[in-house]
Amino acid sequence: DQQVKQNSPSLSVQEGRISILNCDYTNSMFDYFLWYKKYPAEGPTFLISISSIKDKNEDGRFTVFLNKSAKHLSLHIVPSQPGDSAVYFCAASNSGAGSYQLTFGKGTKLSVIP
Amino acid sequence: DAGITQSPRHKVTETGTPVTLRCHQTENHRYMYWYRQDPGHGLRLIHYSYGVKDTDKGEVSDGYSVSRSKTEDFLLTLESATSSQTSVYFCAISETGTGETQYFGPGTRLLVL
Repeated sequence: DQQVKQNSPSLSVQEGRISILNCDYTNSMFDYFLWYKKYPAEGPTFLISISSIKDKNEDGRFTVFLNKSAKHLSLHIVPSQPGDSAVYFCAASNSGAGSYQLTFGKGTKLSVIP
Repeated sequence: DAGITQSPRHKVTETGTPVTLRCHQTENHRYMYWYRQDPGHGLRLIHYSYGVKDTDKGEVSDGYSVSRSKTEDFLLTLESATSSQTSVYFCAISETGTGETQYFGPGTRLLVL
C-alpha cells in the first residue's frame, strides 16, 4: 500500500512559468514532509521541508504548501528554469513514532523547456 | 554538500557472490541509512543505524546485512547477491533522527548478472 503518492510521472513547463508538483499521502501520522530533487547519476538533493504545524514554507523560488485535511502537499517553483529539470521526490516521516524511515513517492520528472 | 562518499560507485557481480558497499561520512552524524531506488518504487529503506554497533531493519531488509564499527562508516552487505538486488543504492545521514532532513550520498549502481 503506497502511503505517499505522486500521481504525475512527468510534467513539462515553459521556462519562466510556474511549476506545480503534487503529492498525496494516506498516513495521518506523518508530520514532517520533504522535497528532494534528483539529477541522473546523482544522489537526491534536499530542496525544502515543512512541518505539520505549518501550512506553507518558502525558500527563494521554492514554496511548499501543506493541506493536512486533504492530506496533500505541493511544491511550487517560480519562475521555472531549465536547471530545474530533474526528478522530484516527495517524502514523509512520522517523528512521533520513533521511526527514522522516510517514505518516498515514486517521483515526478520535471522538464523545463527553454 | 554533506560529506558523504560511497564506494564503489559502480559494480557488476554474479549471482551468489557476496558484495559489500561502503558509505563514509565526514559530518560526524549519528544516524546513517541505506536505501535502494528501483523504477516504479521511489526510494525504500533497507537498514539504518542510530549509533556505532546500533542498527535496525527497514522496509526491504531481506537479503541484506549492515555493520557500523565506526561513526563515519556504514557497510551494506549482500551475503549472496541475486538479480532482484540489481538496483541503485543510496546512503543517507542525519544528525538527530526523526523529523529531520536526511542527506544523501551519490549512489552505487549495482548490477547482478
